Amino acid sequence: GAGVSQSPSNKVTEKGKDVELRCDPISGHTALYWYRQRLGQGLEFLIYFQGNSAPDKSGLPSDRFSAERTGESVSTLTIQRTQQEDSAVYLCASSLFRRDYEQYFGPGTRLTVT
Amino acid sequence: GQSLEQPSEVTAVEGAIVQINCTYQTSGFYGLSWYQQHDGGAPTFLSYNALDGLEETGRFSSFLSRSDSYGYLLLQELQMKDSASYFCAVTYTGGGNKLTFGTGTQLKVEL
Repeated sequence: GAGVSQSPSNKVTEKGKDVELRCDPISGHTALYWYRQRLGQGLEFLIYFQGNSAPDKSGLPSDRFSAERTGESVSTLTIQRTQQEDSAVYLCASSLFRRDYEQYFGPGTRLTVT
Repeated sequence: GQSLEQPSEVTAVEGAIVQINCTYQTSGFYGLSWYQQHDGGAPTFLSYNALDGLEETGRFSSFLSRSDSYGYLLLQELQMKDSASYFCAVTYTGGGNKLTFGTGTQLKVEL
């Protein structure tokens, strides 16, 4: 009965370094989403995985961003050569098949690029 | 791209009723969801409307009018703990299965 978990909860990195963020969805949820939320802003869609289908990468802001998911389990979001504008909270969510309107969010990873 | 409009801030007193509106682009619209997010917390799902009308869940209700491209979240018997940001989010056909979120309405409940 665990919810969506994310790690690390906080990450401070120097500009130019690569970072990897992890998301563990709710067991049985076939869909997984990554969002970015800047301070005081709404949620910006990044990428969507559904089962073994090709992911929807339409929200990735640049080729420095990539994500992987193994089957219906853990996902990692990688940001290469981080920039200060990448500083934000990165949220992961999961949902049951065909219930994309009802997403369950993890606590997020707060990324600070110095 | 698709955009949603909702007020940036709403203030109300404890015990009152407040309505948070959301307008969206009609083309390809499939359904409207609402999420609550407390400061520093994760968004949590509140409700979903795909058909016209009112959906009630305890003190919270959500309404949709497809002909007006408009929906709202109604919060009754406001409590201090309802102070949070509220986001509407739309699913569009042809947009994959992702949600497009509004910019959020910050609700402040005062004594």
